[in-house]
Amino acid sequence: GQSLEQPSEVTAVEGAIVQINCTYQTSGFYGLSWYQQHDGGAPTFLSYNALDGLEETGRFSSFLSRSDSYGYLLLQELQMKDSASYFCAVRSSNTGKLIFGQGTTLQVKP
Amino acid sequence: DAGVIQSPRHEVTEMGQEVTLRCKPISGHNSLFWYRQTMMRGLELLIYFNNNVPIDDSGMPEDRFSAKMPNASFSTLKIQPSEPRDSAVYFCASNVGARWEQYFGPGTRLTVT
Repeated sequence: GQSLEQPSEVTAVEGAIVQINCTYQTSGFYGLSWYQQHDGGAPTFLSYNALDGLEETGRFSSFLSRSDSYGYLLLQELQMKDSASYFCAVRSSNTGKLIFGQGTTLQVKP
Repeated sequence: DAGVIQSPRHEVTEMGQEVTLRCKPISGHNSLFWYRQTMMRGLELLIYFNNNVPIDDSGMPEDRFSAKMPNASFSTLKIQPSEPRDSAVYFCASNVGARWEQYFGPGTRLTVT
């Protein structure tokens, strides 16, 4: 089967750094991506990792270790607008199909 | 670019009625995905099309659900008959080929009473 595990909730203060972890078990693996979803909104793409290592995009970075079946999303200089749900998603085949985790709700406090 | 367009945005219907959800992907995108999101089950892929052809419908819950993509700019997801457990937000997404980024529409919030 295929499964992804991520924490259900994370709380942090404005200006801080937070890391959201994701572990996965899939029959095939082509990469890990991250999506952000604000309450009542649609998921929006943040990043992807096909190879091991760190990918940086502004305040957000994403990391992948294929040998550990593990990745994380790192959010720096947190802002109130970063309060949202964050989903990791695995691409398990060479198609467009994504399997999403259950999501992590991030609450940023003043 | 208008993005992915879905209609209706909200649908309230009674159990047993037929429901049709509509999606217009971004022009030039050749892959289209239908997702369902609930608190209990999260974001689930129902079916996806590539070049208007259904590639994987393993996520379609049962025969009451059907999806079509008659051309590159239009897709429908139909539920007949609808049941209260079908209540969810249904998202349509599109992208180009095997690229990573999927563009989601605003979703249709379906309530079946």
